[in-house]
Amino acid sequence: QLVLTQSPSASASLGASVKLTCTLSSGHSSYAIAWHQQLPEKGPRYLMKVNSDGSHNKGDGIPERFSGSSSGAERYLTISSLQSEDEADYYCQTWGTGIRVFGGGTKLTVL
Amino acid sequence: EVQLLESGGGLVQPGGSLRLSCAASGFTFSSHAMSWVRQAPGKGLEWVSTIVARGTITYYADSVKGRFTISRDNSKYTLYLQVNSLRGEDTAIYYCAKDYDTLSGPVDSWGQGTLVTVSS
Repeated sequence: QLVLTQSPSASASLGASVKLTCTLSSGHSSYAIAWHQQLPEKGPRYLMKVNSDGSHNKGDGIPERFSGSSSGAERYLTISSLQSEDEADYYCQTWGTGIRVFGGGTKLTVL
Repeated sequence: EVQLLESGGGLVQPGGSLRLSCAASGFTFSSHAMSWVRQAPGKGLEWVSTIVARGTITYYADSVKGRFTISRDNSKYTLYLQVNSLRGEDTAIYYCAKDYDTLSGPVDSWGQGTLVTVSS
């Protein structure tokens, strides 16, 4: 079964970096994923696609501070030089024939 | 610029029906699969349904199969979701989403959502 696992919460200080993790279920380590950001009381926003080889393709207007990477079944979103407006929920998403799956989301708090 | 504008949400009684619409612009609608994704109050994102670019194949989450029907009119740049036999657990914001490719791929654009509330 295709499942994505995320930690429910993360925190980091203003100006620091944070690395969020999304883990693919067993047998699905070759899947690409996408990261989406949801600001409080707003709709989601596509950030980037992260492939199994660590390459990533960002959406239009996504700052350089956001980057993606991979290791095995884990996919990462790194945000550097954290700003207060980065405080949001972050969801990973993957897909297969006939199915789309979202992770449970990570709530990022900027201290 | 890609724009997705949902409409059709509202308050409906259990067992009732609604038809959600999503007006698309800023891209070649007929070249992309489209999806509906919902978010219950205080909860995460849940995939609901996807239709491929040509409209010939549809997919549904188990939680809505047999009750919801996704469709599209490529000439009108519009996506639809017919929601029937509504239950309290269907209460959510329903987002229209553009997929990256004709058949599959990540969601790469989102609408602002339309709220469906199921309550007596």
